Amino acid sequence: SAVISQKPSRDICQRGTSLTIQCQVDSQVTMMFWYRQQPGQSLTLIATANQGSEATYESGFVIDKFPISRPNLTFSTLTVSNMSPEDSSIYLCSVYYEKLFFGSGTQLSVL
Amino acid sequence: KQEVTQIPAALSVPEGENLVLNCSFTDSAIYNLQWFRQDPGKGLTSLLLIQSSQREQTSGRLNASLDKSSGRSTLYIAASQPGDSATYLCAVSPPAGYGNKLVFGAGTILRVKS
Repeated sequence: SAVISQKPSRDICQRGTSLTIQCQVDSQVTMMFWYRQQPGQSLTLIATANQGSEATYESGFVIDKFPISRPNLTFSTLTVSNMSPEDSSIYLCSVYYEKLFFGSGTQLSVL
Repeated sequence: KQEVTQIPAALSVPEGENLVLNCSFTDSAIYNLQWFRQDPGKGLTSLLLIQSSQREQTSGRLNASLDKSSGRSTLYIAASQPGDSATYLCAVSPPAGYGNKLVFGAGTILRVKS
């Protein structure tokens, strides 16, 4: 199994600012995934973060808005840039280690 | 494009009742199917994973079945307890080689009343 530590667990931010979310995994994994869960909806994949290369973004998500870092095989960050109220969601990181494991999530509210 | 639907969207039952949550998917070409539990404002916990070649998996009071040909899975919870109250999500994984890009259903919100 894999244990993922994600922080912050929640934050309230002002419009136009940026927030960086961190994920630390207790084992080395090739790919880490970032998901968004908007209020009342299911999970949508934002991007796949590979160590040593650019992240791969899904349709509708761009690097300028959601820059991702993956400096090593156990750590990744997702930044939500120039935030607006529409970015209020739960953001989750996950890894595939025989099955999908998730961090505890970051609940973001943008005022 | 794979689509995953979960029925019902919400369910409220008295404690002790057995219940079934349903998940259907449009493309039967899947690698595996996972059931997750999500508590309010929290991340997801994997409950059961069924490989495409399997018919069911069991863990404690939980039993998940998979009928790939008909595009259906069920999660059976026996003797439900208030602690089972959560949102239950199913997700399917595309065939190996496409990356592990799971497609999630919208979830079933379960409330077990004491």
